[in-house]
Amino acid sequence: NAGVTQTPKFQVLKTGQSMTLQCAQDMNHEYMSWYRQDPGMGLRLIHYSVGAGITDQGEVPNGYNVSRSTTEDFPLRLLSAAPSQTSVYFCASKGALYGYTFGSGTRLTVV
Amino acid sequence: DQQVKQNSPSLSVQEGRISILNCDYTNSMFDYFLWYKKYPAEGPTFLISISSIKDKNEDGRFTVFLNKSAKHLSLHIVPSQPGDSAVYFCAAGGGSTLGRLYFGRGTQLTVWP
Repeated sequence: NAGVTQTPKFQVLKTGQSMTLQCAQDMNHEYMSWYRQDPGMGLRLIHYSVGAGITDQGEVPNGYNVSRSTTEDFPLRLLSAAPSQTSVYFCASKGALYGYTFGSGTRLTVV
Repeated sequence: DQQVKQNSPSLSVQEGRISILNCDYTNSMFDYFLWYKKYPAEGPTFLISISSIKDKNEDGRFTVFLNKSAKHLSLHIVPSQPGDSAVYFCAAGGGSTLGRLYFGRGTQLTVWP
């Protein structure tokens, strides 16, 4: 079981570029979410999905898009990267029990 | 508006002593609470949880206490070990949150020999 897989692990973008952060889980979890972690700010929710075809905004959704066409995949799109989006991004999924399973993260730098 | 707060950004404890990490919440509808541990360059990993119907849950060296009237929970680590040095996040969910977890900002625990 791979759990939650995030790719890439590292990425450097130029301001204005777009890219997609990939997230896949093999646990048949309905709930998936994207967080960003910044120093002193903890984990802030960007977008989440309660099932295929259903997504909603979290605390900091501006500049990001998501879609959920399958149960397994939940990609995060940066539309036009900005230096303020430099962060570590975590994808997480949740099954019937309480806790989330997190991926290992994507470290993104926007220059 | 932060619904889960960890007011101590850091804690330093000697090996063998008790570590106590604190967390406060504002939403009385939360009905479960979790602690996650995070090492550098890794994703957070689940540590221990507690339901709102309990006031204590124990797992080895880790115990979580919940005081619903004070909207406060704490994580006790006894005895603390250098390998426990990590960032600890408190999280809460349930009620009408539809699976969403609310996280605190984390506490960096350092256990020194």
